[in-house]
Amino acid sequence: DAKTTQPNSMESNEEEPVHLPCNHSTISGTDYIHWYRQLPSQGPEYVIHGLTSNVNNRMASLAIAEDRKSSTLILHRATLRDAAVYYCILLSGNTGKLIFGQGTTLQVKP
Amino acid sequence: DVKVTQSSRYLVKRTGEKVFLECVQDMDHENMFWYRQDPGLGLRLIYFSYDVKMKEKGDIPEGYSVSREKKERFSLILESASTNQTSMYLCASREAGPYEQYFGPGTRLTVT
Repeated sequence: DAKTTQPNSMESNEEEPVHLPCNHSTISGTDYIHWYRQLPSQGPEYVIHGLTSNVNNRMASLAIAEDRKSSTLILHRATLRDAAVYYCILLSGNTGKLIFGQGTTLQVKP
Repeated sequence: DVKVTQSSRYLVKRTGEKVFLECVQDMDHENMFWYRQDPGLGLRLIYFSYDVKMKEKGDIPEGYSVSREKKERFSLILESASTNQTSMYLCASREAGPYEQYFGPGTRLTVT
């Protein structure tokens, strides 16, 4: 399974945009880029996913590099409720297993 | 809304007991998964299932078994619980394909 690399932690101020990076240099053509987040004492929650094109939904935007070796999750206006661990995961269209790394712990300061 | 429910939020069992953790999803998803989460080790995949009566080992299947007799239900079984199986257990389901995966709230199991 292809691996991802994320910073251990990031900080943001409330109501400012947040850009969470993810490197996945060994991504294969059938791998989808998924993002999940986990709030304290809860199960992981789906955020967004994409294959090649940038994606937007009500929670966030996903910007995918042209060579697909990296991606960025964008929270347009961070709130205190966005403080969580954010996981970037490659999901293979063939095997279909989500394998979690350590993720990025996002702190949001008021 | 997709719902993945787990039978208990908290469970305390004794060493050597047989433990059943139940997971039910209400969206007719083909794929179901069991993970455990431990501090410093993150989420690790124990078993998964692509269809009724089918199961595949994940990264850490030792000491666990699973059962999927109905599409909506996926059970994790600890045949003889041990203290190193004290953990948070998370169930998840997903439609067949590279789509969003939905997680249950988790069961915090303590084995004493």
